[in-house]
Amino acid sequence: AQTIHQWPVAEIKAVGSPLSLGCTIKGKSSPNLYWYWQATGGTLQQLFYSITVGQVESVVQLNLSASRPKDDQFILSTEKLLLSHSGFYLCAWSLDWGAEQFFGPGTRLTVL
Amino acid sequence: GEKVEQHESTLSVREGDSAVINCTYTDTASSYFPWYKQEAGKSLHFVIDIRSNVDRKQSQRLIVLLDKKAKRFSLHITATQPEDSAIYFCAASPDSNYQLIWGSGTKLIIKP
Repeated sequence: AQTIHQWPVAEIKAVGSPLSLGCTIKGKSSPNLYWYWQATGGTLQQLFYSITVGQVESVVQLNLSASRPKDDQFILSTEKLLLSHSGFYLCAWSLDWGAEQFFGPGTRLTVL
Repeated sequence: GEKVEQHESTLSVREGDSAVINCTYTDTASSYFPWYKQEAGKSLHFVIDIRSNVDRKQSQRLIVLLDKKAKRFSLHITATQPEDSAIYFCAASPDSNYQLIWGSGTKLIIKP
């Protein structure tokens, strides 16, 4: 069975500090991977997608970056957090585009 | 670019009745329309999807309808149960990219 883990579960960080969020998918080879951001009580915004190791495409510019160093790992990071980065970050995978996406449990980020 | 509008921010129905959630989209090139469910404080789970080559799809108590002329799609939940209570998100995407554009969510409340 496939599993998806995100870490950390929650994070409280200061404005201007760096951030690294991680996502690991086990049990599935070469999945498509996605990062989403959800403002509190709000809609979802897709941030990045990756269809293969080492290749990541940005969907919106939010002073965030993403990398896929291994087939089963997706990292979201920034060197300098903004207040507007607060929210719920979700990682997801799918077998192909246009297929069901499986979401991780999410990381709740509070920037103070 | 594509915009997705989800018309009902909150919908309250009596247990056993049907619920209908409506979404409209702007890009005629969009061809994939999934629905996801989010319970309070949790991650997203896939509900059902439809592609532009059909206008109706059913999975047990869930029916999704697509009207390409009106650029509208809707989720029908029949015989609602308490566990259907959640926020439902619609989304749209053209086949040509790996982006999902999301609606703002509908909070579905099932009253006893």
